[in-house]
Amino acid sequence: NAGVTQTPKFQVLKTGQSMTLQCAQDMNHEYMSWYRQDPGMGLRLIHYSVGAGITDQGEVPNGYNVSRSTTEDFPLRLLSAAPSQTSVYFCASSSRNDRPRTEAFFGQGTRLTVV
Amino acid sequence: AQKITQTQPGMFVQEKEAVTLDCTYDTSDQSYGLFWYKQPSSGEMIFLIYQGSYDEQNATEGRYSLNFQKARKSANLVISASQLGDSAMYFCAMREGRTNAGKSTFGDGTTLTVKP
Repeated sequence: NAGVTQTPKFQVLKTGQSMTLQCAQDMNHEYMSWYRQDPGMGLRLIHYSVGAGITDQGEVPNGYNVSRSTTEDFPLRLLSAAPSQTSVYFCASSSRNDRPRTEAFFGQGTRLTVV
Repeated sequence: AQKITQTQPGMFVQEKEAVTLDCTYDTSDQSYGLFWYKQPSSGEMIFLIYQGSYDEQNATEGRYSLNFQKARKSANLVISASQLGDSAMYFCAMREGRTNAGKSTFGDGTTLTVKP
């Protein structure tokens, strides 16, 4: 089982460049999220989606766009990269069901450096 | 607003001993879920254990148990019989509401080092 797949694993960008971080899941999960993790800190929510065609902002959405055209894919776009966006990015998915325990499944992360 | 506080930036434990990692949370919602994740040096996030706000018993998963004290809003992780492979960063996280909305709030983590 592939689970949650993120690409690329590493990326170096110049300030002002744009790029898209890819995230795909094969578990038919309704919910998908993007987080960023800065050194020594926990994960902060950037954007999330509760289903295809539905997205919403998290705690730190500025400078990022998302779309959800299919259940499987949830790409994160950096519009104009800034050094402050240097971070590790995690994509996560989870299922919508009535079980009380519905943990998130995480991708392996994308380490992004903006110079 | 949700908030998770992990007050121990780093912890050390001797191999085979038990260790408790602290987590306190703040929420106005009556229904919520608490999660612990492990992040080894390789960087992936590994789910460890879950506690629901309406669960009357503390959760257990193998060597992991969760000391849930609802009135104190604490959800401490207890690792019994520590192993060298337990050395990692540990995150406490919370999700509000009975249904899963894909939104979790994370603490800043505790780095656990297991000494041989």
